[in-house]
Amino acid sequence: QQQVKQSPQSLIVQKGGISIINCAYENTAFDYFPWYQQFPGKGPALLIAIRPDVSEKKEGRFTISFNKSAKQFSLHIMDSQPGDSATYFCAALGGGYNKLIFGAGTRLAVHP
Amino acid sequence: EPEVTQTPSHQVTQMGQEVILRCVPISNHLYFYWYRQILGQKVEFLVSFYNNEISEKSEIFDDQFSVERPDGSNFTLKIRSTKLEDSAMYFCAGSGGGGTDTQYFGPGTRLTVL
Repeated sequence: QQQVKQSPQSLIVQKGGISIINCAYENTAFDYFPWYQQFPGKGPALLIAIRPDVSEKKEGRFTISFNKSAKQFSLHIMDSQPGDSATYFCAALGGGYNKLIFGAGTRLAVHP
Repeated sequence: EPEVTQTPSHQVTQMGQEVILRCVPISNHLYFYWYRQILGQKVEFLVSFYNNEISEKSEIFDDQFSVERPDGSNFTLKIRSTKLEDSAMYFCAGSGGGGTDTQYFGPGTRLTVL
C-alpha cells in the first residue's frame, strides 16, 4: 500500500514533443504528490507538486494531471528540450508520515 | 538561494569499517532526512529526524545506522560496520515543516564499500 508505481521506465522524445510520465498509488491517505528531476551525479530537485484538491497544476512547460478517483497522476512536459533529459521521479507523501515514497523513475532522453 | 550541502562527495571504505556522512541543511529547516539510492534504483527513505530525535525510520535503518545533529548545523549519518550492500548514493534532505512541506535534497555522497 505504500508503493508508487511509475511508467515508463525510459522515454525517448524528439525536441518539441510532449513527454508524458505516469504514476499510480494505492494509499488514499497520501495527500502530496511531488515530481523530482534528477541529473546524473546530482540530488533530486523538486520540479512541481500537487495536492489532491486540484486536478491539474501547470508551471511553465510542466503540468501535473491528477485523477483522485483513479489514484493516478501524470507529468506532462510540453515542448520538450534536450536540457530536459534527466531522470524523473514521482513521489507521494502523507498519511501521517513525513517520508517521501518514490516511484522507480523514468529516464527521459530528448533528442534534438 | 540556500542549498543543502553534503561531504564528502565520494567515500570509499573497506567492509566492516565505520563511515560518517555529513550534511549541512538549509539553516531555517527543522526536519531532516536521509535517503539512499542504490545505483539504477529508486530513492528509498532511511530516517527522519526532528527536535533532536528520530521521528521515523525504515526497515533498512537497522542498528548499524545512527543519526546525529551534533552542533545545530551539521546532520550526520553513521554506519558502524559497513557491508557491501551499503554501497549507494546517500542523500540528505530537509524541510521547514513536517508533513507535506517540500523536502530539499543535497547533492549526495556516493559510498563505495569494497
